[in-house]
Amino acid sequence: QKEVEQDPGPLSVPEGAIVSLNCTYSNSAFQYFMWYRQYSRKGPELLMYTYSSGNKEDGRFTAQVDKSSKYISLFIRDSQPSDSATYLCAMSGGSNYKLTFGKGTLLTVNP
Amino acid sequence: SAVISQKPSRDICQRGTSLTIQCQVDSQVTMMFWYRQQPGQSLTLIATANQGSEATYESGFVIDKFPISRPNLTFSTLTVSNMSPEDSSIYLCSVGRGGANYGYTFGSGTRLTVV
Repeated sequence: QKEVEQDPGPLSVPEGAIVSLNCTYSNSAFQYFMWYRQYSRKGPELLMYTYSSGNKEDGRFTAQVDKSSKYISLFIRDSQPSDSATYLCAMSGGSNYKLTFGKGTLLTVNP
Repeated sequence: SAVISQKPSRDICQRGTSLTIQCQVDSQVTMMFWYRQQPGQSLTLIATANQGSEATYESGFVIDKFPISRPNLTFSTLTVSNMSPEDSSIYLCSVGRGGANYGYTFGSGTRLTVV
């Protein structure tokens, strides 16, 4: 079992839709959870950061962490064509600074 | 957060040759990280580059294949040596965001094709 599992998609939605992206993980030591957005031919950029369980909202984006289920989600409300990108989940734990990434989900938002 | 400049942005190389990728950061950082991103695969950490000491390599990566230099707190290079088509990938450098557990900032990457 891989440490982090993420459905690679691709996911195609109409503009304005609510998008749900998810990752599961197996390592209970993970405490820091991140979502990165990567546009084509660009490096990943940090989109959301969450420590431990709970929700975090930033504009149209909401990150959720459920440590009991080892499951994290990213919701995008009112999706826009500019949201079209690959979304990568990543996580780390304790003194281990290393990030473990999911494979990424390719999202296309159609106008 | 830090701004990272990475060169070259892309290259096509002959097998058996070597390519050196440069990473310049606009502020001093203790640790710099080199990642590989292969199609359909997760970002994989190659090594951690600390100024003034040998780089620390992850399992499956060796110094002879991926030598790293870290001459100062704002610059690092990664060399991909004796390349084969299997080395075709995107290589990314990154730095921590004021504490690595707060996520990393990435460069724009080097897209390498080995023919």
